[in-house]
Amino acid sequence: NAGVTQTPKFQVLKTGQSMTLQCAQDMNHEYMSWYRQDPGMGLRLIHYSVGAGITDQGEVPNGYNVSRSTTEDFPLRLLSAAPSQTSVYFCASSYPNNLGGTEAFFGQGTRLTVV
Amino acid sequence: AQSVSQHNHHVILSEAASLELGCNYSYGGTVNLFWYVQYPGQHLQLLLKYFSGDPLVKGIKGFEAEFIKSKFSFNLRKPSVQWSDTAEYFCAVIRQAGTALIFGKGTTLSVSS
Repeated sequence: NAGVTQTPKFQVLKTGQSMTLQCAQDMNHEYMSWYRQDPGMGLRLIHYSVGAGITDQGEVPNGYNVSRSTTEDFPLRLLSAAPSQTSVYFCASSYPNNLGGTEAFFGQGTRLTVV
Repeated sequence: AQSVSQHNHHVILSEAASLELGCNYSYGGTVNLFWYVQYPGQHLQLLLKYFSGDPLVKGIKGFEAEFIKSKFSFNLRKPSVQWSDTAEYFCAVIRQAGTALIFGKGTTLSVSS
């Protein structure tokens, strides 16, 4: 049981390049989400998904696309990278527990630098 | 929309001092509340969480937090900090049956030995 796995851990892109950040979970959680972490800004929600085939925008969705074709995977795509997208990206999966709460599990992050 | 406010951007303490980090949220319904810690160069780690019941919750490493519903607050406390507590601390909230956490901007704690 690996939990939430993000790849790659580090990436350097040139402005205008595209890439996909991978996120996979093996806990059969319905909910998954992507965050970016910037100094002094905390973690901000980019996109989230409530199940396969269903995605929605978070607080800072511009410049990012997502899809959810399976329960396990939730890739984040940068179509044309910009320096403003230099950040640390976290993927999370979550599920509603039997206490009326939501349990969330985070990946170890991807540090992306756009030059 | 939900939001989370962390009052202190940077807190500097000496070892053995007591710690209290403020967190307020804006949402009138039932919420779950969390505190996460991020040590330098590492990923997020859950310190503690509140779902329901006793408003005083205890977490790892001697941390505790108190949920005060009337004040929409979930402050983090530790009686005596150590140098190893130097890290960034994030408060987060999710509405009941919600799908994604909303985070505060974080508080950097620096503890000098």
